[in-house]
Amino acid sequence: QAGLTQPPSVSTGLRQTATLTCTGNSNNVGNQGAAWLQQHQGHPPKLLSYRNNNRPSGISERFSASRSGSTASLTITGLQPEDEADYYCSAWDSSLSAWVFGGGTKLTVL
Amino acid sequence: EVQLVESGGGLVQPGGSLRLSCAASGFTFSGYWMHWVRQAPGRGLVWVSRINSDGSTTNYADSVKGRFTISRDNAKNTLYLQMNSLRAEDTAVYYCAGGPLFDYWGQGTLVTVSS
Repeated sequence: QAGLTQPPSVSTGLRQTATLTCTGNSNNVGNQGAAWLQQHQGHPPKLLSYRNNNRPSGISERFSASRSGSTASLTITGLQPEDEADYYCSAWDSSLSAWVFGGGTKLTVL
Repeated sequence: EVQLVESGGGLVQPGGSLRLSCAASGFTFSGYWMHWVRQAPGRGLVWVSRINSDGSTTNYADSVKGRFTISRDNAKNTLYLQMNSLRAEDTAVYYCAGGPLFDYWGQGTLVTVSS
């Protein structure tokens, strides 16, 4: 099953802003938007946002999501050392009747 | 406190079977879709399967269709994944996840398929 496309790595400076992208098509991201998850090494993923910019309770406002067409974006402002992690996007694909994930982006905070 | 605890992983030979379990607590298990997601060593997340709240609807990734079966017992607050005809490429940490979307995750259980 075709997945979503994410850049393998992004590096941004401390206290700066990072924008991660996730490209799909009209059957997935372009249809119902994307969810974003954060995963630190050795830990399970954590949901950051879903349906573009709905944040679960306890997720910092520094994390905001958006969508333009079939591309979803996650913007992280005021980068902190603890933001260094792998970030995954995911979306329901109506043509596949399956959830699809992106390959993940490793965020490095310089 | 929400808890999802997976069990049942281990070493199995190619062609063998395993049954994973995921015990849920701290939320209304019977009210939500539940998922299995796997992650091969050093690789990304891959969605495996999902089941709706009453167990009447299931979906599978193409890579496991016909080999894996997801089920649930709402009386026991437990999610299952029956895995048959296992292949080396099924080697991964298997997570159960659920809630309104992917809000809740377990710590995962490692499945190794090797001779």
